[in-house]
Amino acid sequence: DAKTTQPPSMDCAEGRAANLPCNHSTISGNEYVYWYRQIHSQGPQYIIHGLKNNETNEMASLIITEDRKSSTLILPHATLRDTAVYYCIAGGYGQNFVFGPGTRLSVLP
Amino acid sequence: GAVVSQHPSRVICKSGTSVKIECRSLDFQATTMFWYRQFPKQSLMLMATSNEGSKATYEQGVEKDKFLINHASLTLSTLTVTSAHPEDSSFYICAGENYNSPLHFGNGTRLTVT
Repeated sequence: DAKTTQPPSMDCAEGRAANLPCNHSTISGNEYVYWYRQIHSQGPQYIIHGLKNNETNEMASLIITEDRKSSTLILPHATLRDTAVYYCIAGGYGQNFVFGPGTRLSVLP
Repeated sequence: GAVVSQHPSRVICKSGTSVKIECRSLDFQATTMFWYRQFPKQSLMLMATSNEGSKATYEQGVEKDKFLINHASLTLSTLTVTSAHPEDSSFYICAGENYNSPLHFGNGTRLTVT
């Protein structure tokens, strides 16, 4: 399982874009990049995932570098409800999903 | 999207008793179920994985006789904490996976052992 590294915490002003980075320099060719978030005392919520192309859904955008060694999760207009711990995971079907410490995002009014 | 239902959400039990936690995938068939444990202010720690009809695979340091996992069908997995002790108090979270969708998590079970 590839190891990922994320900054421990970030702040973002409400209404602004939140850009959360993740390094996964040892990711293998068949591993996807997944993003989840966890609000206190709840199970992790799936946000988005991608292999090598940039992806967008109703929640966020995922930008993956061409060499796939890093990625950025973008929340285009952060709200107070986006305050959570965000986890970046490299893996795929049949592999264990190993969680690191994640990034604690605080959206400030 | 895929929904995983976990029950109960909270349970308090006395030391020495057993507690069963259920995890159901409501709208997809989970070929693999994952069980995690989370202590306060820490990340999720993988305890074990199970495939339908097979014995669970436990992570190093997780006692298989204490944490019994059953994955009887493609939509149901259970975790039984046997002879629970206060140090087993934690937040337990399950997740289901199939080849067609990313891992989807239940909402967790807060276990308190008194």
